[in-house]
Amino acid sequence: GAVVSQHPSWVICKSGTSVKIECRSLDFQATTMFWYRQFPKQSLMLMATSNEGSKATYEQGVEKDKFLINHASLTLSTLTVTSAHPEDSSFYICSVTKATGNTEAFFGQGTRLTVV
Amino acid sequence: SQKIEQNSEALNIQEGKTATLTCNYTNYSPAYLQWYRQDPGRGPVFLLLIRENEKEKRKERLKVTFDTTLKQSLFHITASQPADSATYLCALDNNAGNMLTFGGGTRLMVKP
Repeated sequence: GAVVSQHPSWVICKSGTSVKIECRSLDFQATTMFWYRQFPKQSLMLMATSNEGSKATYEQGVEKDKFLINHASLTLSTLTVTSAHPEDSSFYICSVTKATGNTEAFFGQGTRLTVV
Repeated sequence: SQKIEQNSEALNIQEGKTATLTCNYTNYSPAYLQWYRQDPGRGPVFLLLIRENEKEKRKERLKVTFDTTLKQSLFHITASQPADSATYLCALDNNAGNMLTFGGGTRLMVKP
């Protein structure tokens, strides 16, 4: 398998502030990482695909200026929620896959964001 | 439109019985389908992958079937245990690299 570490596991922030979430691939180099959001009792919704050394690809309806993604190295991708609002409160999860094709995804432990 | 449907109602079963969860999809032609387990407040954990040309796959107490004609996958846990209680998610590839689309998940409760 692969070990994916997310930090922080939970965060509370005030409306209008920004929050950075880190996703690290600890035991292999990931050229691609995926960011998901999950609201209570709902499915994981793909937000964006993070590509090392290039711009992220965002899913329809996800604001790229609000959810800034940086994938500066093969082991680290960051998601910054800018000017957070209470409706951004959610569970954010990253994942990696080891190879292109039909392989399993390895997920981080998730970050619970609460905006007050 | 594309849909991946799992029973949103919780499935309650008695310990020792077989749990069967369903994943139905429409307007997809997945090359493979995956099942994950998610515990509260945690990220999903991979369980099984089944390819479009495979009818059935087994791993210990787990069995997955994949019927591309019915557009359905069944996930079975035999001899269920309270520790199997979790939400189980099915996921399909969208024929675009490694991107997965998830169903809403079914919560399984195994009572002692």
